[in-house]
Amino acid sequence: DGGITQSPKYLFRKEGQNVTLSCEQNLNHDAMYWYRQDPGQGLRLIYYSQIVNDFQKGDIAEGYSVSREKKESFPLTVTSAQKNPTAFYLCASTTGIGDTQYFGPGTRLTVL
Amino acid sequence: DQQVKQNSPSLSVQEGRISILNCDYTNSMFDYFLWYKKYPAEGPTFLISISSIKDKNEDGRFTVFLNKSAKHLSLHIVPSQPGDSAVYFCAANLGGGGTSYGKLTFGQGTILTVHP
Repeated sequence: DGGITQSPKYLFRKEGQNVTLSCEQNLNHDAMYWYRQDPGQGLRLIYYSQIVNDFQKGDIAEGYSVSREKKESFPLTVTSAQKNPTAFYLCASTTGIGDTQYFGPGTRLTVL
Repeated sequence: DQQVKQNSPSLSVQEGRISILNCDYTNSMFDYFLWYKKYPAEGPTFLISISSIKDKNEDGRFTVFLNKSAKHLSLHIVPSQPGDSAVYFCAANLGGGGTSYGKLTFGQGTILTVHP
C-alpha cells in the first residue's frame, strides 16, 4: 500500500529536550512538507523540501530543523528553542507543481 | 497576514440539505485551490480541487465554485450526510515556478456538523 507514515502517533517530551518526528513516504513523491496545527487554527507550514538534499523554511521555521537525505524520508526535529512545541504535526508529500498534497496521519507532541 | 480566510468557524446543517462552505483569499497569484476534510487526530484528506482557469468543478456530491473577481471560492455538499461532519479546510497554491511552487496556504477551517 502506498502512503505516508508518521511515527509515533503520540509523543511526550520534557521541556528543554529535542525530539525528532518521523515522516516516510513510498509514493515516489519529490516534494515533502511539515505543517503544524494548533486548536482553532489552520495548518501552518514549518519546512518543505522539493528535492533530496534541499529544503526551504516555511512560515514558522524558528525552533525547528529538518533533513532530506533520502527521497522517502523527511524527519523534523523540534528543538528546545521552539517556545510552544505542543501541537499536532502533519507531514505531506506531492509530486510537484500544482499537485495535490497527501497527508500522513499526524503526530501529537505534548511537552510536559 | 491571513491570505486565505474561512470566516465561518462552524456550520450546522440538517441531513439531506445543502452545506455551503466559504473561503476568501487575497493573493491574486494563487492559481490552484483545494478543499480538504479532516477528522480529529487524523491527517487531512483531499476532497476536491479547482484550477483558476475554471469556475466550477464537480465530483459526486461535492462541487467547488471559484469567483476570481471576488477572490472567493465555495464548497457545496449536496445532499449532506452525517458522515460529512468534520473540519473542512480550503487551501491555495501559488503557481509560476520558483521556490514557492507547491506550497499550500490554508484557511483556519470550518467545522461542519450534519444532524440526522
